[in-house]
Amino acid sequence: GQSLEQPSEVTAVEGAIVQINCTYQTSGFYGLSWYQQHDGGAPTFLSYNALDGLEETGRFSSFLSRSDSYGYLLLQELQMKDSASYFCAVRDDKIIFGKGTRLHILP
Amino acid sequence: GAVVSQHPSWVICKSGTSVKIECRSLDFQATTMFWYRQFPKQSLMLMATSNEGSKATYEQGVEKDKFLINHASLTLSTLTVTSAHPEDSSFYICSAREGSTDTGELFFGEGSRLTVL
Repeated sequence: GQSLEQPSEVTAVEGAIVQINCTYQTSGFYGLSWYQQHDGGAPTFLSYNALDGLEETGRFSSFLSRSDSYGYLLLQELQMKDSASYFCAVRDDKIIFGKGTRLHILP
Repeated sequence: GAVVSQHPSWVICKSGTSVKIECRSLDFQATTMFWYRQFPKQSLMLMATSNEGSKATYEQGVEKDKFLINHASLTLSTLTVTSAHPEDSSFYICSAREGSTDTGELFFGEGSRLTVL
């Protein structure tokens, strides 16, 4: 079977840094993606890691370790608009999503 | 980026009726589209993979006779919820990948919120 584990909720302060971890167990693996979803909206793509290492896109970075079946999303200089749910997703021949992490940001 | 449009955004129907949701790729051709369902505060659950010109591949536990998927062209896939019941009320989202280059990115439609009375 396939499973992805990520924390259900994380709380951080505006301006701080937060890391959302994701571990996965899948039969196949091409890469790990991260998506952001605001309440009532559709998911939007943030990043994709196919190889080990860190990918940086502005305030967001994503890391992958294939040997550990582990990845994380790092959000820096948190802003109130970053309050949302964040999903890791494994790409096999289809894309399977984790349960999501709800990020709460305090002023 | 590529644009995927979904229609309708909201639909309210009576129990027992059927509802059709359309998903279009506006500026690219999508040989494969994916249909997800999401209940409040939960994850996106893959329902089926829609392949242009062939039958959809359904995930385990998804009734193919209840959730009819048609991918008649490279830019249009439809999901029909047949004989809808209140437990089918959910947020249905389609998505597609663009081209042959794998960036791992899915482009999502705006979603369709179905309420069955």
